[in-house]
Amino acid sequence: GDQVKQSPSALSLQEGTNSALRCNFSIATTTVQWFLQNPRGSLMNLFYLVPGTKENGRLKSTFNSKESYSTLHIRDAQLEDSGTYFCAADTNAYKVIFGKGTHLHVLP
Amino acid sequence: EAAVTQSPRSKVAVTGGKVTLSCHQTNNHDYMYWYRQDTGHGLRLIHYSYVADSTEKGDIPDGYKASRPSQENFSLILELASLSQTAVYFCASSDSANTEVFFGKGTRLTVV
Repeated sequence: GDQVKQSPSALSLQEGTNSALRCNFSIATTTVQWFLQNPRGSLMNLFYLVPGTKENGRLKSTFNSKESYSTLHIRDAQLEDSGTYFCAADTNAYKVIFGKGTHLHVLP
Repeated sequence: EAAVTQSPRSKVAVTGGKVTLSCHQTNNHDYMYWYRQDTGHGLRLIHYSYVADSTEKGDIPDGYKASRPSQENFSLILELASLSQTAVYFCASSDSANTEVFFGKGTRLTVV
């Protein structure tokens, strides 16, 4: 099965509302990264997390290593938040393992 | 801000031809990576390198070679391109094995 499982796979939000995306890990994970792939295809770094919580504007992310999950909260969703959100797990080796992404569509 | 530059940004190649994708980083990072993204999927690691003149296989290395002639440059080589290698390819760099990864803008490769 997937070592990094993201949910939901797709989501539509009304502009101005809030939501949470989730990542569950079935592998030992030391740090977590969240990316947004915009409609042009570029990957933008959102968060790089050790266990704990970070906040940046309308986005907040938490990484709970004991329960093997991470969440990304979006507050007051805007049209420019649309895109695909990926979480990625750093393992104890060289590689970063990606989830399959959550496709977010913010509706006007 | 990290800077990873890929070239070309898009390419059409013929089946059986040779394709070279190039990546240049100005971050002074030791680690560089090549990932592949297929429509509707996450990224899968093809090759990586942690030092110049050395490359390592990732999760899906078959059909690909990599070259790291310097710390700044990392190339992905498809000696005999196949239809199944049509995808978007991303280069990335990081300071070490477990630090933040920064991506280039991607190369869209279409093999016909």
